Amino acid sequence: DAKTTQPTSMDCAEGRAANLPCNHSTISGNEYVYWYRQIHSQGPQYIIHGLKNNETNEMASLIITEDRKSSTLILPHATLRDTAVYYCIVRSGTSYGKLTFGQGTILTVHP
Amino acid sequence: DAGVIQSPRHEVTEMGQEVTLRCKPISGHDYLFWYRQTMMRGLELLIYFNNNVPIDDSGMPEDRFSAKMPNASFSTLKIQPSEPRDSAVYFCASSLDGQFGYTFGSGTRLTVV
Repeated sequence: DAKTTQPTSMDCAEGRAANLPCNHSTISGNEYVYWYRQIHSQGPQYIIHGLKNNETNEMASLIITEDRKSSTLILPHATLRDTAVYYCIVRSGTSYGKLTFGQGTILTVHP
Repeated sequence: DAGVIQSPRHEVTEMGQEVTLRCKPISGHDYLFWYRQTMMRGLELLIYFNNNVPIDDSGMPEDRFSAKMPNASFSTLKIQPSEPRDSAVYFCASSLDGQFGYTFGSGTRLTVV
């Protein structure tokens, strides 16, 4: 599975959009981009995933560049409850089971 | 659905004692995973099951660790004997197809003194 690079930490003001970048320059054609987050003292929570096209759900939007070498997770209106560690993971679409977490980005949303 | 249920939430035990962590996955999910999280090593996959069969246990640290899944609704992770370096938060997760949308439990915080 391709390696990902994320900033160690980011800040965001409450009510503003939080844009979390992820670099995956070695991604291959059948690898998906997944985002999870972990709020303090809780288990990780699935947010969204995508292959090529941009994706949106009730939690967030995922923007994948045309060359697929990077992506951005967007929380459109961040709240204090969005403070968490955000993990960007790349994994093959034919790889069942193993999901490997890196260090992630610590997002702090402040009033 | 109550989600993935883990018990106990907290466990404090003395070195050398046996520890058993329990997990009930979401009904209908065919995959079950055990992860361990520490400050030093982050989230590590220990073992996962598909249809109750262990598929990959390469993350299990040593023979002191064992995991079982006797049926589709229950799994255990056992440490015998426990050591202080086993102190961590242990998460169980389940997935419908092993690909997307893993659901994690709230974890068991294990402290070995």
